[in-house]
Amino acid sequence: AQTVTQSQPEMSVQEAETVTLSCTYDTSESDYYLFWYKQPPSRQMILVIRQEAYKQQNATENRFSVNFQKAAKSFSLKISDSQLGDAAMYFCAYKTKGTYKYIFGTGTRLKVLA
Amino acid sequence: GAGVSQTPSNKVTEKGKYVELRCDPISGHTALYWYRQSLGQGPEFLIYFQGTGAADDSGLPNDRFFAVRPEGSVSTLKIQRTERGDSAVYLCASSFSGLGGFTDTQYFGPGTRLTVL
Repeated sequence: AQTVTQSQPEMSVQEAETVTLSCTYDTSESDYYLFWYKQPPSRQMILVIRQEAYKQQNATENRFSVNFQKAAKSFSLKISDSQLGDAAMYFCAYKTKGTYKYIFGTGTRLKVLA
Repeated sequence: GAGVSQTPSNKVTEKGKYVELRCDPISGHTALYWYRQSLGQGPEFLIYFQGTGAADDSGLPNDRFFAVRPEGSVSTLKIQRTERGDSAVYLCASSFSGLGGFTDTQYFGPGTRLTVL
């Protein structure tokens, strides 16, 4: 069975600084996808960034980028130039290619300090 | 267009009562999913619909939980004889095809917070 682990329950970052959220996963599959979702207090999960396991290049979306280390089964999220609106719970998620079932981690609460 | 919507936003009920939670997916999305998110946890998969049929209900915890999607659009999650342990946020998501491709992203609703007293 696949598992996703987020070992940082809470992180803080100063506004305009950079922060990295960690995620590790376990799977025996070779083809899969990884995601970071943001969940603000409104509870609506919002897709931040996604990565295909077969792609060597790390995904980037504006201020958000990932460090995908397939051999180490690590998928960290880097947020640059942090903004107050980035404050939320961040969930790492895994999905095997061709399936629909997401496996989520327990989340990291990010606080952004003004 | 509009995103995934869920009603009610909050539901408080007494132990033993029956509740229905509604999900209205994005128009044109054939796939619909229900997740349960307990306090301090990530969402856990409950059930997946492809059109009108439940393609995978392996995440439903027991037979008190049931979900329907009679016309392939709106879905209702039904919980009988509620227990305090059912208290959680119930999230609904939809995606275009449900075929599991990279771009078949799941879009989530804001959830229903169920509290069983």
